[in-house]
Amino acid sequence: QKEVEQDPGPLSVPEGAIVSLNCTYSNSAFQYFMWYRQYSRKGPELLMYTYSSGNKEDGRFTAQVDKSSKYISLFIRDSQPSDSATYLCAMSESGGSNYKLTFGKGTLLTVNP
Amino acid sequence: DGGITQSPKYLFRKEGQNVTLSCEQNLNHDAMYWYRQDPGQGLRLIYYSQIVNDFQKGDIAEGYSVSREKKESFPLTVTSAQKNPTAFYLCASSARVSNYGYTFGSGTRLTVV
Repeated sequence: QKEVEQDPGPLSVPEGAIVSLNCTYSNSAFQYFMWYRQYSRKGPELLMYTYSSGNKEDGRFTAQVDKSSKYISLFIRDSQPSDSATYLCAMSESGGSNYKLTFGKGTLLTVNP
Repeated sequence: DGGITQSPKYLFRKEGQNVTLSCEQNLNHDAMYWYRQDPGQGLRLIYYSQIVNDFQKGDIAEGYSVSREKKESFPLTVTSAQKNPTAFYLCASSARVSNYGYTFGSGTRLTVV
């Protein structure tokens, strides 16, 4: 079993839809959870960062962590064509000295106008 | 502005040649990383360095070499021993103690011709 599993998609939705992107993981020591957005032929950029369980909201984006189920989600409300990108989840055991991220393979999202 | 600069953006290599990809950061980050990204494979770690003059192999180091002579710079050499070098290469950096994940460069697309 891979440490982090992410449905590769592709996922295609109409503009204005609510999008749900998910990752599951097997390492119960993971405590820090991130979502990166990567546009085509560009480097990933950090979108959301959460620690431990709970929700975090930033504009149209909500990150949710359920450590008991080892499951994290990213919700995008009122999706826009500019949200079309690959979304990668990432996680680490520690935010401290020399931490190392483990990435999912990414989900390709297309939002159609 | 602080960030990571990768150059060149596109690189063509003849079979049997070594090529070097540049990565420079002005974020004062201690750690730097090289990833390879192929369609459907996600990010695969090639090498990483947590301090100057020290680096460790990642999951797919064969056919690659690195150096870390300066904190700001972490060049990657793709040698002729790498059998399938055509890919998108990403450099990243992070503070040694951080709650903010990695910062990525914009990538180098290497094509063997």
